[in-house]
Amino acid sequence: AQTVTQSQPEMSVQEAETVTLSCTYDTSENNYYLFWYKQPPSRQMILVIRQEAYKQQNATENRFSVNFQKAAKSFSLKISDSQLGDTAMYFCAFTSGNTPLVFGKGTRLSVIA
Amino acid sequence: DTGVSQDPRHKITKRGQNVTFRCDPISEHNRLYWYRQTLGQGPEFLTYFQNEAQLEKSRLLSDRFSAERPKGSFSTLEIQRTEQGDSAMYLCASSFRGPSTDTQYFGPGTRLTVL
Repeated sequence: AQTVTQSQPEMSVQEAETVTLSCTYDTSENNYYLFWYKQPPSRQMILVIRQEAYKQQNATENRFSVNFQKAAKSFSLKISDSQLGDTAMYFCAFTSGNTPLVFGKGTRLSVIA
Repeated sequence: DTGVSQDPRHKITKRGQNVTFRCDPISEHNRLYWYRQTLGQGPEFLTYFQNEAQLEKSRLLSDRFSAERPKGSFSTLEIQRTEQGDSAMYLCASSFRGPSTDTQYFGPGTRLTVL
């Protein structure tokens, strides 16, 4: 069974600084997809970024980028130039494409002014 | 494209009552998923549909839970004889399953409180 582990329950970062959220996963699949979702307090789950396992290039979306290490089964999220609006729970998630998403327990990120 | 919508957004019920939630996916998305999220946890899979076919159900989905997706459009999730342990956020997501993509987009959720 696939598992996703987020080892940092809470993190904080100063506004405009950079922060990295960690995620590791376990699977025997070779082809799969990894995601980071953001869930602001009392608000909707929003897709931040996705990575296909067959792509060696790390995905980037504006201030958000990932460090995908397939051999190490690691998928960290880097947020550059942190903004107050980045305050949220961040969930790492995995799917092989034929399975539902498996989520980690989340990391609560607080951006401090 | 109006996104995934869910109704109601909040539901308070008494233990033992039945409740039904509705999810309208993004148009032309062929997959629809239901997840349950309790406070401080990540979402947990309940069930999913490809078009109108229910393809998988989680162990979390006891016999008090049932889901339908008639005609492959909207979906309903019904909980019969609710228990206090059913209190949670129920999330719906939809995706278009293609050869190289299956990105799920989530609705705002229905928060259920069982008294």
